[in-house]
Amino acid sequence: NAGVTQTPKFQVLKTGQSMTLQCAQDMNHEYMSWYRQDPGMGLRLIHYSVGAGITDQGEVPNGYNVSRSTTEDFPLRLLSAAPSQTSVYFCASSSRLAGTNEQFFGPGTRLTVL
Amino acid sequence: KQEVTQIPAALSVPEGENLVLNCSFTDSAIYNLQWFRQDPGKGLTSLLLIQSSQREQTSGRLNASLDKSSGRSTLYIAASQPGDSATYLCAASILLLKKLIFGTGTRLQVFP
Repeated sequence: NAGVTQTPKFQVLKTGQSMTLQCAQDMNHEYMSWYRQDPGMGLRLIHYSVGAGITDQGEVPNGYNVSRSTTEDFPLRLLSAAPSQTSVYFCASSSRLAGTNEQFFGPGTRLTVL
Repeated sequence: KQEVTQIPAALSVPEGENLVLNCSFTDSAIYNLQWFRQDPGKGLTSLLLIQSSQREQTSGRLNASLDKSSGRSTLYIAASQPGDSATYLCAASILLLKKLIFGTGTRLQVFP
């Protein structure tokens, strides 16, 4: 199993540009989520999904969109990038059937918005 | 609102020492608590997960304990090694599959 994969690893955007961060998992996990990590603030939840077709907002959803058309993929879209979205983004997944909610993280995408 | 705090923010110890990292949370109604390791520029690696009904979990030189009544978890690292140098994060899960609340981490350096 590849686990949780994220692309790209690095990205530089200009203010106002849009882009999609990709996340995929091959563990058949129902639950997937996106976090951002900023210095001194820890990881904060952006959006999450409990299954295909179901998404919900986390702590810091503004400026981001998600969709979950398949169990495997959970892309995060930045509609109009802003410097405040400069961060490291992590995708995570877990299995509801396992009952433990142990979360597995991808390697992250480091995003810089100029 | 659940808040998770980790103390100390940074720790530097000589190789071979036993050490304890602390994690405290404000709401005792947690589902579980998970400890992660993060190397610079890398993702998070799950180390140990303690369910709310458990008191501790062990993996090799690592032992994590959970005391819900006092709102505390500790990660004990025995016989520390330079390879243990990393940032250690704890995260509390409030409701099943809903979200993790993370602490800001303890940056550990183990020097030879």
